[in-house]
Amino acid sequence: GENVEQHPSTLSVQEGDSAVIKCTYSDSASNYFPWYKQELGKRPQLIIDIRSNVGEKKDQRIAVTLNKTAKHFSLHITETQPEDSAVYFCAASDGNNRLAFGKGNQVVVIP
Amino acid sequence: SQTIHQWPATLVQPVGSPLSLECTVEGTSNPNLYWYRQAAGRGLQLLFYSVGIGQISSEVPQNLSASRPQDRQFILSSKKLLLSDSGFYLCAWSVRTGWTGKQFFGPGTRLTVL
Repeated sequence: GENVEQHPSTLSVQEGDSAVIKCTYSDSASNYFPWYKQELGKRPQLIIDIRSNVGEKKDQRIAVTLNKTAKHFSLHITETQPEDSAVYFCAASDGNNRLAFGKGNQVVVIP
Repeated sequence: SQTIHQWPATLVQPVGSPLSLECTVEGTSNPNLYWYRQAAGRGLQLLFYSVGIGQISSEVPQNLSASRPQDRQFILSSKKLLLSDSGFYLCAWSVRTGWTGKQFFGPGTRLTVL
């Protein structure tokens, strides 16, 4: 089955700087890659996603890039703010009704 | 719009006691339904998923079971809880017909087994 890995496990950034989280996946058949944000004690929320026929997608301060050849995709957060502090999960799917999640990255934005 | 409910929100149970967690979805028909468990500070572990009434796929063998008695109802059960069953239990749904991959999570049940 699909195996998704996230790096780094914890990321600290100064407010206003950019944050980048990278995920790698194992199954070349995977074609859907979402990112979830989970604030402490709350449910994961879908914040952005990308399909394999697109190389990049942007939504205000967040963007996701996909490199199918290298089998990795990344979340980019620009102009970070304290409310961006959370755990971010990446996931991948090959269309079999399931998502394979990474273990999550803790992002800490330092004011 | 679609809404997903879970109850109870929190639960404290003794070891060896039974468990029943419920999840319901509103505003959609024929959804895929999922149960995840998240241990403290850890990732999301898929426990069960269902593509229809009475259809349950188990991802991890353990002392938990799931049932789907109605189209938009998903229940997680246990006959005897273990300490290791403590965690944050999340139900999720996705569109089945024309599956897009997007999954949406419920508010979760925080279970503490003592």
